Amino acid sequence: SQTIHQWPATLVQPVGSPLSLECTVEGTSNPNLYWYRQAAGRGLQLLFYSVGIGQISSEVPQNLSASRPQDRQFILSTKKLLLSDSGFYLCAIQPRPSTDTQYFGPGTRLTVL
Amino acid sequence: GQQLNQSPQSMFIQEGEDVSMNCTSSSIFNTWLWYKQEPGEGPVLLIALYKAGELTSNGRLTAQFGITRKDSFLNISASIPSDVGIYFCAGQNYGGSQGNLIFGKGTKLSVKP
Repeated sequence: SQTIHQWPATLVQPVGSPLSLECTVEGTSNPNLYWYRQAAGRGLQLLFYSVGIGQISSEVPQNLSASRPQDRQFILSTKKLLLSDSGFYLCAIQPRPSTDTQYFGPGTRLTVL
Repeated sequence: GQQLNQSPQSMFIQEGEDVSMNCTSSSIFNTWLWYKQEPGEGPVLLIALYKAGELTSNGRLTAQFGITRKDSFLNISASIPSDVGIYFCAGQNYGGSQGNLIFGKGTKLSVKP
């Protein structure tokens, strides 16, 4: 079965600083990958998804960007953090597209001060 | 776009009581999923439903895929303190390669010992 790693687990950053969150996957190949944000412990907002290396789709206009430099690596980043970027960021995978469901990583808690 | 209405928003119950929550949609889904999220962690898949009318159990949890494919419910019998968390429903269509989930806003469950 697959394993999803997210790094770091928690992060406190000042407004205007850069950000890089990493998601790596083990135990599967060519998955669909997703970034979600969760504010105040409620509601999951889909930010980005990727169906392959270098292929990124954005669901909502925002300050963040995503990249998939390798099959099992998904990165969320920005050059300048905003206060509104605070939240709980979740990476999810769909191991076998069109035949399987989504599984979530442990998450990264981001606080922007 | 598709939206899910999940209710109730929160529940505060006594240990040993049964719990029922549901999700409804204005459009149909091919799959209904139920997740549980504990504080500070990523959602964990509890039950996946793939056929209209399907009734599936996982221990004390029972979920059903509505006949109309527009609704689903989750029941928890004989609740215990470790059932505390936020329960999310999600609907999924397998059209295309995205496999994107539509999430409900969650039901926050509190259990009093």
